[in-house]
Amino acid sequence: AQSVTQLGSHVSVSEGALVLLRCNYSSSVPPYLFWYVQYPNQGLQLLLKYTSAATLVKGINGFEAEFKKSETSFHLTKPSAHMSDAAEYFCAVSDRGGGGSNYKLTFGKGTLLTVNP
Amino acid sequence: SAVISQKPSRDICQRGTSLTIQCQVDSQVTMMFWYRQQPGQSLTLIATANQGSEATYESGFVIDKFPISRPNLTFSTLTVSNMSPEDSSIYLCSAGGGTRNTIYFGEGSWLTVV
Repeated sequence: AQSVTQLGSHVSVSEGALVLLRCNYSSSVPPYLFWYVQYPNQGLQLLLKYTSAATLVKGINGFEAEFKKSETSFHLTKPSAHMSDAAEYFCAVSDRGGGGSNYKLTFGKGTLLTVNP
Repeated sequence: SAVISQKPSRDICQRGTSLTIQCQVDSQVTMMFWYRQQPGQSLTLIATANQGSEATYESGFVIDKFPISRPNLTFSTLTVSNMSPEDSSIYLCSAGGGTRNTIYFGEGSWLTVV
Protein backbone atom coordinates (compact mmCIF):
# COMPACT_ATOMS: atom_id res chain seq x y z
CA ALA A 1 0.00 0.00 0.00
CA GLN A 2 1.11 3.52 -0.68
CA SER A 3 0.45 6.78 1.09
CA VAL A 4 1.42 10.41 0.87
CA THR A 5 1.71 12.95 3.66
CA GLN A 6 1.83 16.62 2.89
CA LEU A 7 3.00 18.60 5.89
CA GLY A 8 1.05 21.80 6.23
CA SER A 9 -2.38 22.16 4.74
CA HIS A 10 -1.75 25.86 4.24
CA VAL A 11 1.50 27.65 3.46
CA SER A 12 1.73 31.41 3.17
CA VAL A 13 4.73 33.22 1.67
CA SER A 14 5.55 36.70 0.53
CA GLU A 15 6.03 37.48 -3.12
CA GLY A 16 9.67 36.86 -4.01
CA ALA A 17 10.25 34.50 -1.09
CA LEU A 18 11.24 30.85 -1.27
CA VAL A 19 8.41 28.35 -1.66
CA LEU A 20 8.83 25.00 0.09
CA LEU A 21 5.99 22.48 0.08
CA ARG A 22 6.70 19.24 1.89
CA CYS A 23 5.78 15.76 0.78
CA ASN A 24 6.69 12.44 2.35
CA TYR A 25 5.65 9.13 0.90
CA SER A 26 5.32 5.57 1.98
CA SER A 27 5.66 2.80 -0.55
CA SER A 28 6.63 -0.85 -0.37
CA VAL A 29 8.04 -0.67 -3.88
CA PRO A 30 10.15 1.98 -5.66
CA PRO A 31 7.76 4.79 -6.42
CA TYR A 32 6.98 7.25 -9.09
CA LEU A 33 6.26 10.66 -7.58
CA PHE A 34 4.31 13.61 -8.89
CA TRP A 35 3.35 17.14 -8.05
CA TYR A 36 0.13 18.58 -9.44
CA VAL A 37 -1.26 22.10 -9.16
CA GLN A 38 -4.91 23.04 -9.08
CA TYR A 39 -5.80 26.68 -9.63
CA PRO A 40 -9.14 27.92 -8.30
CA ASN A 41 -12.05 26.40 -10.18
CA GLN A 42 -9.78 24.48 -12.52
CA GLY A 43 -8.63 20.91 -13.01
CA LEU A 44 -5.24 19.38 -12.25
CA GLN A 45 -2.08 20.33 -14.04
CA LEU A 46 1.12 18.29 -13.83
CA LEU A 47 4.02 20.33 -12.46
CA LEU A 48 6.69 17.65 -12.50
CA LYS A 49 7.30 13.96 -11.98
CA TYR A 50 10.05 11.64 -10.77
CA THR A 51 10.39 8.36 -12.61
CA SER A 52 13.84 7.15 -11.52
CA ALA A 53 16.05 9.28 -13.73
CA ALA A 54 17.68 12.32 -12.08
CA THR A 55 16.71 12.78 -8.45
CA LEU A 56 16.39 16.55 -8.93
CA VAL A 57 13.43 17.11 -11.18
CA LYS A 58 12.66 20.41 -12.85
CA GLY A 59 9.11 21.25 -13.74
CA ILE A 60 7.07 24.03 -15.20
CA ASN A 61 6.77 27.57 -13.84
CA GLY A 62 10.19 27.43 -12.13
CA PHE A 63 9.31 24.63 -9.72
CA GLU A 64 11.60 21.75 -8.90
CA ALA A 65 11.58 18.81 -6.51
CA GLU A 66 14.24 16.49 -5.17
CA PHE A 67 13.69 12.80 -4.54
CA LYS A 68 15.44 11.70 -1.35
CA LYS A 69 15.06 7.99 -0.82
CA SER A 70 16.71 8.02 2.62
CA GLU A 71 14.17 10.57 3.82
CA THR A 72 11.25 9.22 1.74
CA SER A 73 10.65 12.79 0.68
CA PHE A 74 9.82 14.69 -2.48
CA HIS A 75 9.60 18.32 -1.44
CA LEU A 76 8.61 20.98 -3.95
CA THR A 77 10.52 24.25 -4.12
CA LYS A 78 10.60 27.47 -6.07
CA PRO A 79 13.24 30.13 -5.38
CA SER A 80 10.96 33.13 -5.75
CA ALA A 81 7.20 33.07 -5.33
CA HIS A 82 4.94 34.91 -7.71
CA MET A 83 1.37 35.95 -7.10
CA SER A 84 0.26 33.62 -9.87
CA ASP A 85 1.60 30.63 -7.88
CA ALA A 86 -1.32 30.85 -5.45
CA ALA A 87 -3.10 27.53 -5.81
CA GLU A 88 -3.60 24.09 -4.25
CA TYR A 89 -0.68 21.71 -4.67
CA PHE A 90 -1.01 17.94 -4.54
CA CYS A 91 1.75 15.40 -4.15
CA ALA A 92 0.99 11.93 -5.51
CA VAL A 93 2.64 8.53 -5.70
CA SER A 94 2.27 5.50 -7.89
CA ASP A 95 4.18 2.26 -8.04
CA ARG A 96 6.22 0.88 -10.90
CA GLY A 97 4.30 -2.33 -11.22
CA GLY A 98 2.94 -3.80 -14.40
CA GLY A 99 -0.63 -3.94 -15.50
CA GLY A 100 -0.91 -0.19 -15.59
CA SER A 101 -0.67 0.29 -11.84
CA ASN A 102 2.02 2.89 -12.45
CA TYR A 103 -0.69 5.16 -13.80
CA LYS A 104 -2.88 4.80 -10.70
CA LEU A 105 -2.18 7.61 -8.24
CA THR A 106 -2.54 8.02 -4.50
CA PHE A 107 -2.78 11.67 -3.54
CA GLY A 108 -1.86 13.63 -0.47
CA LYS A 109 -4.41 15.92 1.13
CA GLY A 110 -3.02 18.98 -0.61
CA THR A 111 -1.34 22.20 0.46
CA LEU A 112 -2.93 25.54 -0.23
CA LEU A 113 -0.28 28.11 -1.13
CA THR A 114 -1.09 31.76 -0.67
CA VAL A 115 1.28 34.48 -1.84
CA ASN A 116 1.16 37.83 -0.13
CA PRO A 117 2.16 41.03 -1.93
CA SER B 1 -5.73 21.09 -27.91
CA ALA B 2 -6.81 19.35 -24.72
CA VAL B 3 -5.53 15.82 -24.09
CA ILE B 4 -8.67 14.83 -22.17
CA SER B 5 -12.07 16.43 -22.43
CA GLN B 6 -14.89 15.85 -20.00
CA LYS B 7 -18.57 16.61 -20.36
CA PRO B 8 -20.43 18.13 -18.68
CA SER B 9 -18.02 20.56 -17.10
CA ARG B 10 -20.61 21.61 -14.54
CA ASP B 11 -24.13 20.60 -13.64
CA ILE B 12 -26.70 21.08 -10.95
CA CYS B 13 -28.70 17.93 -10.38
CA GLN B 14 -31.82 17.02 -8.48
CA ARG B 15 -31.67 14.56 -5.62
CA GLY B 16 -32.52 11.04 -6.73
CA THR B 17 -31.54 11.50 -10.37
CA SER B 18 -28.54 10.06 -12.19
CA LEU B 19 -25.95 11.79 -14.34
CA THR B 20 -23.47 10.38 -16.82
CA ILE B 21 -20.11 12.03 -17.30
CA GLN B 22 -18.17 11.45 -20.48
CA CYS B 23 -14.38 11.35 -20.86
CA GLN B 24 -12.74 11.50 -24.29
CA VAL B 25 -8.98 11.14 -24.77
CA ASP B 26 -7.33 12.44 -27.91
CA SER B 27 -5.22 9.31 -28.46
CA GLN B 28 -5.26 5.67 -27.51
CA VAL B 29 -4.33 5.01 -23.89
CA THR B 30 -4.06 1.79 -21.98
CA MET B 31 -5.35 3.05 -18.65
CA MET B 32 -8.28 5.24 -17.68
CA PHE B 33 -9.36 6.09 -14.17
CA TRP B 34 -12.10 8.02 -12.39
CA TYR B 35 -11.43 10.09 -9.28
CA ARG B 36 -13.67 12.04 -6.93
CA GLN B 37 -12.70 15.26 -5.20
CA GLN B 38 -15.15 16.26 -2.52
CA PRO B 39 -15.28 19.92 -1.49
CA GLY B 40 -12.03 20.97 0.15
CA GLN B 41 -10.63 17.47 -0.05
CA SER B 42 -8.02 15.59 -2.01
CA LEU B 43 -8.64 13.19 -4.85
CA THR B 44 -9.85 9.68 -4.18
CA LEU B 45 -9.74 6.95 -6.79
CA ILE B 46 -13.17 5.53 -7.58
CA ALA B 47 -12.25 2.89 -10.12
CA THR B 48 -10.13 1.76 -13.04
CA ALA B 49 -12.09 1.75 -16.28
CA ASN B 50 -11.25 -1.46 -18.16
CA GLN B 51 -11.81 -1.64 -21.87
CA GLY B 52 -14.55 -4.07 -22.76
CA SER B 53 -15.00 -5.42 -19.25
CA GLU B 54 -16.27 -4.42 -15.84
CA ALA B 55 -14.44 -1.65 -14.03
CA THR B 56 -12.26 -2.37 -11.01
CA TYR B 57 -13.60 -0.49 -8.00
CA GLU B 58 -11.70 0.76 -4.99
CA SER B 59 -12.82 0.07 -1.47
CA GLY B 60 -15.91 2.06 -0.62
CA PHE B 61 -17.16 2.40 -4.20
CA VAL B 62 -19.63 0.04 -5.86
CA ILE B 63 -20.84 -0.55 -9.37
CA ASP B 64 -24.50 0.09 -8.55
CA LYS B 65 -23.69 3.62 -7.43
CA PHE B 66 -20.96 4.41 -9.97
CA PRO B 67 -21.44 2.33 -13.13
CA ILE B 68 -18.56 2.82 -15.57
CA SER B 69 -18.22 1.96 -19.21
CA ARG B 70 -15.20 1.89 -21.47
CA PRO B 71 -16.16 0.70 -24.95
CA ASN B 72 -12.81 1.56 -26.57
CA LEU B 73 -9.30 2.86 -25.84
CA THR B 74 -10.22 6.55 -25.97
CA PHE B 75 -13.61 6.87 -24.27
CA SER B 76 -15.17 6.20 -20.89
CA THR B 77 -18.26 7.20 -18.97
CA LEU B 78 -19.01 7.42 -15.27
CA THR B 79 -22.58 7.51 -14.04
CA VAL B 80 -23.41 8.83 -10.60
CA SER B 81 -26.66 7.09 -9.70
CA ASN B 82 -29.47 8.08 -7.37
CA MET B 83 -27.63 11.21 -6.35
CA SER B 84 -27.73 12.79 -2.93
CA PRO B 85 -26.15 16.04 -1.75
CA GLU B 86 -23.19 14.00 -0.47
CA ASP B 87 -22.34 13.26 -4.11
CA SER B 88 -21.64 16.93 -4.76
CA SER B 89 -18.03 16.75 -5.91
CA ILE B 90 -15.65 17.21 -8.75
CA TYR B 91 -15.31 14.03 -10.78
CA LEU B 92 -12.08 13.73 -12.72
CA CYS B 93 -11.04 11.40 -15.46
CA SER B 94 -7.39 10.49 -15.88
CA ALA B 95 -5.62 8.53 -18.57
CA GLY B 96 -2.16 7.25 -19.38
CA GLY B 97 -0.12 4.63 -21.15
CA GLY B 98 -0.17 3.71 -24.80
CA THR B 99 0.91 6.72 -26.83
CA ARG B 100 0.68 8.85 -23.68
CA ASN B 101 3.58 7.78 -21.49
CA THR B 102 2.42 9.88 -18.58
CA ILE B 103 -0.77 10.53 -16.67
CA TYR B 104 -3.14 13.27 -17.73
CA PHE B 105 -6.23 14.62 -16.03
CA GLY B 106 -9.34 16.11 -17.47
CA GLU B 107 -10.62 19.49 -16.30
CA GLY B 108 -13.17 17.76 -14.10
CA SER B 109 -16.93 17.70 -13.93
CA TRP B 110 -18.28 19.85 -11.10
CA LEU B 111 -21.53 18.38 -9.82
CA THR B 112 -23.84 20.00 -7.31
CA VAL B 113 -26.78 17.96 -6.03
CA VAL B 114 -29.70 19.88 -4.60
